[in-house]
Amino acid sequence: EVQLVESGGDLVQPGGSLRLSCGASGFTFSNYGMSWVRQVLGKDLEWVASVMDNGSEKYYLDSVKGRFTISRDNAKNSLFLQMNSLRAEDTAVYHCARDLYGSMDVWGRGTAITVSS
Amino acid sequence: AIRMTQSPSSFSAYTGDRVSITCRASQGISDLLAWYQQKPGKAPELLIYSAYRLQSGVPSRFSGSGSGTDFTLTISSLQSEDFATYYCQQYYSYPRTFGQGTKVEIK
Repeated sequence: EVQLVESGGDLVQPGGSLRLSCGASGFTFSNYGMSWVRQVLGKDLEWVASVMDNGSEKYYLDSVKGRFTISRDNAKNSLFLQMNSLRAEDTAVYHCARDLYGSMDVWGRGTAITVSS
Repeated sequence: AIRMTQSPSSFSAYTGDRVSITCRASQGISDLLAWYQQKPGKAPELLIYSAYRLQSGVPSRFSGSGSGTDFTLTISSLQSEDFATYYCQQYYSYPRTFGQGTKVEIK
């Protein structure tokens, strides 16, 4: 079964850091680009970052550039999102997703981040 | 960033109805558009990509059309399991952007 499972979500203070992980199974992870997408209160979806299949190219939402880093370990079928200098507006459920020509055909259930003092 | 605008934001319909949702891009995106369905507490699911290509396993009552700036998702005969929120997404350029969603409710 093709599956993505996120972990690492937590309550963190403003200015803090967090590292999200996404474990992939059921497909050849190294063949696919991957993305992180966040959703606030079950409403608006917001793309956060993408990384190409070999990790050579990375793209970021402007509001997270310089604060977030997307990375992957193809040997461990894992995707990561290092989040630094967190702000209240980063509060959301973060989903990892598999890229299909730019659309996203497989999604994880998400991990929740709350940034609050 | 390319802005995606969906209409309507919500509506109610009967089972069996033919319904359509529109999505407009702030600039031309060719056919680089996807549609997703999301149910409460679940992750989005891909329905359509490349504006009209049906994702594997998605019922044929779902169809997509359009190119350039104007797109439509049509459900030919609404089923009970189709009551959900639908989102469009462009992948013509980064940042990838989504529409604000259209909630389809039971009348």
